[in-house]
Amino acid sequence: RKEVEQDPGPFNVPEGATVAFNCTYSNSASQSFFWYRQDCRKEPKLLMSVYSSGNEDGRFTAQLNRASQYISLLIRDSKLSDSATYLCVVNEYGNKLVFGAGTILRVKS
Amino acid sequence: ETGVTQTPRHLVMGMTNKKSLKCEQHLGHNAMYWYKQSAKKPLELMFVYNFKEQTENNSVPSRFSPECPNSSHLFLHLHTLQPEDSALYLCASSQDIQGSSPLHFGNGTRLTVT
Repeated sequence: RKEVEQDPGPFNVPEGATVAFNCTYSNSASQSFFWYRQDCRKEPKLLMSVYSSGNEDGRFTAQLNRASQYISLLIRDSKLSDSATYLCVVNEYGNKLVFGAGTILRVKS
Repeated sequence: ETGVTQTPRHLVMGMTNKKSLKCEQHLGHNAMYWYKQSAKKPLELMFVYNFKEQTENNSVPSRFSPECPNSSHLFLHLHTLQPEDSALYLCASSQDIQGSSPLHFGNGTRLTVT
């Protein structure tokens, strides 16, 4: 089993739609979780950290489910500019941050 | 955002060449990293430096040689590379290496080995 797994997509959604991605992780002792966004041919950029109680930043909501070992990212009212690859990052073993392969989102008008 | 800067942005080199990638961070972070990103694969950690001391070498071939003269600068020296080494090489920094602080990436060097 991969350490951090994501559905590669692509998720094709119309503008204004709500879309959600999940990311599963293998180490139940993991403590830190992040979502990054990567645009085509550019570097990953931190979108948001994921906190135990869940957290929201504008149209973006992140959740952590420790029992089932997954984190989720919900995007409401999708914009064309949300089109990107979304990377899940987990500190799987101590200080090692492990990246998922990413989920591609395409928002269409 | 210019917190982490990398040069060059693009590099084409032959298999017998020697070149170096440069990274500089202006964030006051203590840890710096080299990652490799190949098409359709997750980011692969190559090297980790903490307070300019190497703390991790993720089984990287010796044709990749890192150098960290201080906490703000990181180099990746390349020699006798193979075509399969063509990829996006990303430098990153973080406040510490505990895994609880997020990574800040440079804009990467797109390397093509011919």
